[in-house]
Amino acid sequence: ETGVTQTPRHLVMGMTNKKSLKCEQHLGHNAMYWYKQSAKKPLELMFVYSLEERVENNSVPSRFSPECPNSSHLFLHLHTLQPEDSALYLCASSQDGGADYEQYFGPGTRLTVT
Amino acid sequence: GQQVMQIPQYQHVQEGEDFTTYCNSSTTLSNIQWYKQRPGGHPVFLIQLVKSGEVKKQKRLTFQFGEAKKNSSLHITATQTTDVGTYFCAGVDRGSTLGRLYFGRGTQLTVWP
Repeated sequence: ETGVTQTPRHLVMGMTNKKSLKCEQHLGHNAMYWYKQSAKKPLELMFVYSLEERVENNSVPSRFSPECPNSSHLFLHLHTLQPEDSALYLCASSQDGGADYEQYFGPGTRLTVT
Repeated sequence: GQQVMQIPQYQHVQEGEDFTTYCNSSTTLSNIQWYKQRPGGHPVFLIQLVKSGEVKKQKRLTFQFGEAKKNSSLHITATQTTDVGTYFCAGVDRGSTLGRLYFGRGTQLTVWP
């Protein structure tokens, strides 16, 4: 499945580092999402972009900064993270930002903050 | 706020046994989606239910949406080892126009050969 790709697949970073996660979708979709998946917690929606505009910011700390330069690319910029931010970060896309379409997930970036 | 509860959290079955996971919402849903995540993988869309009382089948999988559109279930008949994974329901709030899915915690299915 190569519809939604994410890089890197694994990332280890210190609390003072700055890094970025990248997501690319090849499906012609108009909406893209960032989710956080931690052990023992439901999938947490972080950000939603529809037609390159951020339409939802789900009370995410400012140390996470999204960027959507076009409808095919989505970034998550990370700085001064905490160990509790270690998780699987999943990108997803859907045909548009409405409620009727399934979401296609990328393989995720496994982030470890030391 | 919107909550989607899913039970059980874990289920261990012998191959050939049936399996069911249940999903309940605190509010009425416009639709509900089901996803499967294999160990080490990412969620993959299985199906969407929209109509009250809707039942859909995919081979050994049967999906139901409650009459009140507040609950749903996934039933697998005669499980196989390939069914191993975590099954998530995700409800879309009736008032949502942003495609926000509220995911349940998932049911982790283990199938013993």
